[in-house]
Amino acid sequence: DGGITQSPKYLFRKEGQNVTLSCEQNLNHDAMYWYRQDPGQGLRLIYYSQIVNDFQKGDIAEGYSVSREKKESFPLTVTSAQKNPTAFYLCASSTIGRGHSSYEQYFGPGTRLTVT
Amino acid sequence: EDQVTQSPEALRLQEGESSSLNCSYTVSGLRGLFWYRQDPGKGPEFLFTLYSAGEEKEKERLKATLTKKESFLHITAPKPEDSATYLCAGYNYQLIWGAGTKLIIKP
Repeated sequence: DGGITQSPKYLFRKEGQNVTLSCEQNLNHDAMYWYRQDPGQGLRLIYYSQIVNDFQKGDIAEGYSVSREKKESFPLTVTSAQKNPTAFYLCASSTIGRGHSSYEQYFGPGTRLTVT
Repeated sequence: EDQVTQSPEALRLQEGESSSLNCSYTVSGLRGLFWYRQDPGKGPEFLFTLYSAGEEKEKERLKATLTKKESFLHITAPKPEDSATYLCAGYNYQLIWGAGTKLIIKP
């Protein structure tokens, strides 16, 4: 079964600790994305990557870091510099659009991070 | 500034009561309009992509339409299992997301 997996589903951390969220896909998609979702707001893009060993900042990259060492994997680290890290984090992947094409993003089940 | 606005924020319907959800957009050079369904505590599930004004797409009780300023998600004779948050997003090399409409269908 092709899809995107995120782990863990729930994560609890103390303030000041870094934490890494896992995202793996077996859809053979080139592009991967990390979003943050807060109640009453649209999804906000944290980072995205279109190719291995390359990634770009999204709208809210401060306090986060990523790596893309393999096509299948795109882990997100929430650092202690992120001022309000408690949120629902979603990983997605897609093929890359060519020219005027746009391709749907497929999402993982999400990780709910609580920092106290 | 590119923006996507969804209305209403929440909608309660009786089973079988048809209605529409609205997605207004101001996205320069829109290349696609996406609709997703999201169940509580889960990731969004892709429903439709619309590319040009006048286009329509259907899936079971859902039909999505697109004009130059907005998109509608029509739900016909909904069932309780259609209860979810419906998200729309405009695409212009990045997805610009609306905040969603929470749909509740009462039996």
